[in-house]
Amino acid sequence: DVKVTQSSRYLVKRTGEKVFLECVQDMDHENMFWYRQDPGLGLRLIYFSYDVKMKEKGDIPEGYSVSREKKERFSLILESASTNQTSMYLCASSPGGAYTEAFFGQGTRLTVV
Amino acid sequence: ELKVEQNPLFLSMQEGKNYTIYCNYSTTSDRLYWYRQDPGKSLESLFVLLSNGAVKQEGRLMASLDTKARLSTLHITAAVHDLSATYFCAVAGGSNYKLTFGKGTLLTVNP
Repeated sequence: DVKVTQSSRYLVKRTGEKVFLECVQDMDHENMFWYRQDPGLGLRLIYFSYDVKMKEKGDIPEGYSVSREKKERFSLILESASTNQTSMYLCASSPGGAYTEAFFGQGTRLTVV
Repeated sequence: ELKVEQNPLFLSMQEGKNYTIYCNYSTTSDRLYWYRQDPGKSLESLFVLLSNGAVKQEGRLMASLDTKARLSTLHITAAVHDLSATYFCAVAGGSNYKLTFGKGTLLTVNP
């Protein structure tokens, strides 16, 4: 079974802090994704990566950056956390190429106070 | 830009009844996925539909894909309370890496 693991289930951070959300997958997938989920807005893509050190902006990249130094790990960074970044963050991976089925981690509920 | 629309967004139904959730998308694609999400949990893959006319069934749920109409349906037969969850469809389009999700359908099955 594919396993996608996010480092924290719940996080509480202060406004202005730099926040790191970590995600690790164990199936040698090429692609990794970060989404945020908010009520009424569904899942919105923040960033994705299709190879080590490669990244592309999704639909809502402002205020975020990402890092992928190793194939199995994809980090989301909130440079200076703000209250409007309070949300559920979901990491996903997919095999690559024509194989687009995404497998999700358990989610991180981030609260910025 | 690929757009994915689900309807209805909210569905309250009685146990034993049948209903269908619809997923329309705006550009050509032959890869469509259905996911389930329980409250406070992450997304779990339900169905993978990879060609026109594909039909998959699991228990009381059946999904189908019509790529010509750009439409997928998720049919619920004789609903039970355990099916209460949010259901998302997602479509692969444009660059192949990405899935675009619908807003989800919150299904509540009442006794």
